[in-house]
Amino acid sequence: ETGVTQTPRHLVMGMTNKKSLKCEQHLGHNAMYWYKQSAKKPLELMFVYNFKEQTENNSVPSRFSPECPNSSHLFLHLHTLQPEDSALYLCASSPSLGGSETQYFGPGTRLLVL
Amino acid sequence: AQSVTQPDIHITVSEGASLELRCNYSYGATPYLFWYVQSPGQGLQLLLKYFSGDTLVQGIKGFEAEFKRSQSSFNLRKPSVHWSDAAEYFCAVVRNFGNEKLTFGTGTRLTIIP
Repeated sequence: ETGVTQTPRHLVMGMTNKKSLKCEQHLGHNAMYWYKQSAKKPLELMFVYNFKEQTENNSVPSRFSPECPNSSHLFLHLHTLQPEDSALYLCASSPSLGGSETQYFGPGTRLLVL
Repeated sequence: AQSVTQPDIHITVSEGASLELRCNYSYGATPYLFWYVQSPGQGLQLLLKYFSGDTLVQGIKGFEAEFKRSQSSFNLRKPSVHWSDAAEYFCAVVRNFGNEKLTFGTGTRLTIIP
């Protein structure tokens, strides 16, 4: 596969469940990102990793827990979510950090919290 | 703080007609400017970007955008749209120093009618 892949593509979970979202990039990039996309709102940056190290946590609730075991993989662990967390979660990568870098996005995971 | 405004939430255009999507930004200096497109069920794909130089930028899929400093605008244009252009379009800006992060607009949904 090429580019940025995300699994699962769709996820339905109850508020007491624990699940994980997976992102994998095959582009040799060093920076990876998690975004939340809700209807009628701008994309919200959640987390940024650079060379496996977290460089930004955009005031995300602790019920979202990211993990970056290497530069190619990024996870988002979910637990005790709320219905308002239902959204499209997008992963992206870029060659490095820096405003001029193009970010490459995966197709997203559509999450529904019941 | 930087911000991005896309004043049109939804635009409908006939196939073959010209298109212009508006984007205005708020930032003291010239930022880096991007247009991304999101087709249904897909992640975001970069159409074009502007850093400096020629204010008319050519992108993929026949799109272009013009940076106008005096109007703080970066409008996206296409002379003749195709049904496959139906998607959501996002303008994004980032300050041109350091490891600043992208700020996205709320998007414009484009519908193409036969």
